Amino acid sequence: QVQLVESGGGVVQPGTSLRLSCAASGFTFSTYGMHWVRQAPGKGLEWVSVISYDGTVQHYANSVKGRFTTSRDSSRNTLYLQLSSLRAEDTAVYYCAREGTPYTSAWVDSWGPGSLVTVSS
Amino acid sequence: DIQMTQSPSSVSASIGDRVTITCRASQGISSSLVWYQQRPGKAPSVLIYSAFNLQSGVPSRFSGSGSGTDFTLTISSLQPEDFATYYCQQAKSFPWTFGQGTKVEIK
Repeated sequence: QVQLVESGGGVVQPGTSLRLSCAASGFTFSTYGMHWVRQAPGKGLEWVSVISYDGTVQHYANSVKGRFTTSRDSSRNTLYLQLSSLRAEDTAVYYCAREGTPYTSAWVDSWGPGSLVTVSS
Repeated sequence: DIQMTQSPSSVSASIGDRVTITCRASQGISSSLVWYQQRPGKAPSVLIYSAFNLQSGVPSRFSGSGSGTDFTLTISSLQPEDFATYYCQQAKSFPWTFGQGTKVEIK
């Protein structure tokens, strides 16, 4: 059974950094692309980033490009999101999500419960 | 970026009603359209992928149609567990983009 569990969220001040982790289990992590999606309180879903199954390709939303970095460690079955230069508008629940099929990017079929990041002074 | 526009933003319906939600892309995305359901306080879950393919385990009362720029999600007979927010998302090109969501409420 696919399981994704995010960790690392919390309350941070504007301009600081934070790293989120997503521990994956129940599937062959090294064959699936992985995504981060966020949701500000009371708002809709916003796609943040993707990393290919082998870690060689990443894409980012314009709103986070240059500030956030996605990486993965297949030896630890873990996905990471490094958040830097944080702003109040980055406050959100951050979900990690797995693509629906190996090696391709067409949809995500499994989501973690999310990790709340609050950026406030 | 491709913009996704959903309508309506909310709909009130009764148990057993047929509910239709539409999603329009700002440019053609062929069949690269996904529908998600999100219940309050929960992570989203996929209902439909590639415009009309039902995700395994999703009830057959859910169906998707469309291609190009115009898409539809239909719930044929609304059930109590279907009261939730629904999002469309294009997977044609990065950055992926979501519609603003449609909240299905109890009438």
